[in-house]
Amino acid sequence: KAGVTQTPRYLIKTRGQQVTLSCSPISGHRSVSWYQQTPGQGLQFLFEYFSETQRNKGNFPGRFSGRQFSNSRSEMNVSTLELGDSALYLCASSSFSGSGGELFFGEGSRLTVL
Amino acid sequence: AQTVTQSQPEMSVQEAETVTLSCTYDTSESDYYLFWYKQPPSRQMILVIRQEAYKQQNATENRFSVNFQKAAKSFSLKISDSQLGDAAMYFCASSSGGYQKVTFGTGTKLQVIP
Repeated sequence: KAGVTQTPRYLIKTRGQQVTLSCSPISGHRSVSWYQQTPGQGLQFLFEYFSETQRNKGNFPGRFSGRQFSNSRSEMNVSTLELGDSALYLCASSSFSGSGGELFFGEGSRLTVL
Repeated sequence: AQTVTQSQPEMSVQEAETVTLSCTYDTSESDYYLFWYKQPPSRQMILVIRQEAYKQQNATENRFSVNFQKAAKSFSLKISDSQLGDAAMYFCASSSGGYQKVTFGTGTKLQVIP
């Protein structure tokens, strides 16, 4: 069974640009969540989707958005990039609909904002 | 709101020895789950061990075990017979509320000395 796939793996953007990151979950997993990982803040929850519905959102500005498609693939978008958005963005999928299930992580998309 | 605290930014252990990583948490929920995740250098984060709060028995997975002290809100991870492959960042985490929103601690970097 293929794992969680995130694309692109690395990208460099400049301030003010926007970026779209993609995540393909493990086949059959309907829950997809996104996390931002930085050395200073650690892992911060961005949002979680289940069956195309956003069920929870972390404390991030509206520049951060996401969506989930009918095949469970998910995208997240960051508009008007700021230097502080430089981070490793991790996607995780789960077969659980509720809390408590194991999260399966992708390798992440490393975003550098110049 | 949930909080997870890891007070040991770095730890080291001799190969074949035992090490314990500390974690405390706080939650107002009565039904919650606790986890330890491992993030090896430049590799995907994986689940090490999971504990359901309503279970009094401490979880065990091969060389990994936890000491779950519910009243003290403590959830430490013990690694026995440490191996070089155990070198990684270890994150303590919790979730509750029926959604896949996981709160992570800041991590403990474990070094295994040959």
